[in-house]
Amino acid sequence: SQQGEEDPQALSIQEGENATMNCSYKTSINNLQWYRQNSGRGLVHLILIRSNEREKHSGRLRVTLDTSKKSSSLLITASRAADTASYFCATDFNNAGNMLTFGGGTRLMVKP
Amino acid sequence: NAGVTQTPKFRVLKTGQSMTLLCAQDMNHEYMYWYRQDPGMGLRLIHYSVGEGTTAKGEVPDGYNVSRLKKQNFLLGLESAAPSQTSVYFCASSSPGGASNTEAFFGQGTRLTVV
Repeated sequence: SQQGEEDPQALSIQEGENATMNCSYKTSINNLQWYRQNSGRGLVHLILIRSNEREKHSGRLRVTLDTSKKSSSLLITASRAADTASYFCATDFNNAGNMLTFGGGTRLMVKP
Repeated sequence: NAGVTQTPKFRVLKTGQSMTLLCAQDMNHEYMYWYRQDPGMGLRLIHYSVGEGTTAKGEVPDGYNVSRLKKQNFLLGLESAAPSQTSVYFCASSSPGGASNTEAFFGQGTRLTVV
């Protein structure tokens, strides 16, 4: 089974609203990353948070990490139609820093 | 700077045929990965490599083989294609330090259909 699991699987919001996606993982990690995938395209890295960090910001993105609960959340503020995509969390499966595995993703639709 | 390039972009195979997918990166990355993505699912790691001449199994390695003869290339082979291998295949690479420490760069994917 996959290391990370995102929740919800799908999310539909209006432009301007905030979108929150959650990721839970099973084993200890070095870092957790979030990626975005537009339909039919490859994945693009959004943000990385290290295991000793609790929160990180990048533009309209805010990521939190709770290692005690083995969970992370990605918040997109003031969403835009262009944010419509699938979002994936990724962790190192064997905590060795070299086996990057992904969750099932959250499909976000932002309606104009 | 091309980044990660996958060849081919599309392919249709008959059951039992073989083929090789090529991934090339021009960023001097040590780590390279092959994933498959099925409809409605995330990416599942097939095989990965931590350096030239080394490969390792990922989550779903059965039915696939890989080779990393040159640092910039990572080949994924299907010796006898099966319909269950119909999927979109993505290659990725990352810089020294491991994928969990630095971002991974992805190719645009290869859409493979096995009939």
